[in-house]
Amino acid sequence: GAGVSQSPSNKVTEKGKDVELRCDPISGHTALYWYRQSLGQGLEFLIYFQGNSAPDKSGLPSDRFSAERTGGSVSTLTIQRTQQEDSAVYLCASSPRTGGYEQYFGPGTRLTVT
Amino acid sequence: AQSVTQPDIHITVSEGASLELRCNYSYGATPYLFWYVQSPGQGLQLLLKYFSGDTLVQGIKGFEAEFKRSQSSFNLRKPSVHWSDAAEYFCAVFSGGYNKLIFGAGTRLAVHP
Repeated sequence: GAGVSQSPSNKVTEKGKDVELRCDPISGHTALYWYRQSLGQGLEFLIYFQGNSAPDKSGLPSDRFSAERTGGSVSTLTIQRTQQEDSAVYLCASSPRTGGYEQYFGPGTRLTVT
Repeated sequence: AQSVTQPDIHITVSEGASLELRCNYSYGATPYLFWYVQSPGQGLQLLLKYFSGDTLVQGIKGFEAEFKRSQSSFNLRKPSVHWSDAAEYFCAVFSGGYNKLIFGAGTRLAVHP
C-alpha cells in the first residue's frame, strides 16, 4: 500500500517568511509524529498526535512552530517567521497503534532558509 | 536519561565482507529497539525491531540484530555486505513515557568494491 507522503519535497524560503509542510500518513494509522533532522542536532522529536487526544508538543523548539492534524489524518507543520537555524529536513512518521512502537517515515521535506 | 549511543560515526567495509554496527542504549524498562536505514536524500526505512522474545531478530535486506540486556546493546549485523548497503544507519529506542523515538547519532557505512 501507499506509504507516508510529504510535500513539498524541497522548500526554499526567505528569512522571516512563514512555511507550511504537509504530511499524509498511512491510511488507518492513528499515531503521527514529526521529527527534524539537522547536521548539528541529529534526529529530534517535535510533536506527536494520537487519535483525538491533545498532541504532545514537548519537542517543539519555539512558539514559532505549530502543527495540526485534521480529521485524524493529514497533518500540517507550520513554522512562522523562519530563521536560518530552522533549515533542516523535516520528517513525518505514522504508526498503526497507540504507543507507536514501529514508525514508518515519509521521504521528508528539506527546508532551506536563506 | 534515556539515550542511544552509536560509537562509530563512519565505517568502511569491502563488498562481501561481514558487518557489525554497534548500538548501546540507556533505558530503565524493557526497551523497544529499532534499526533504520537512510539512503542519501531519502527518509528512514525500518530494517528490524525488537519488542520481546527471541533476542536475535531478523530484518529486511539480510540484516539481523541481537539484543543483549546485560550489555545494553542491540548490534546490527550482516554476513555479506553489498554495495547497495552503503547508507546511514540509525539505532533507536522507543520512549513510551515520552511517546517518541530516541535516535542515536547514526553510523555512515561506505562499501568498497
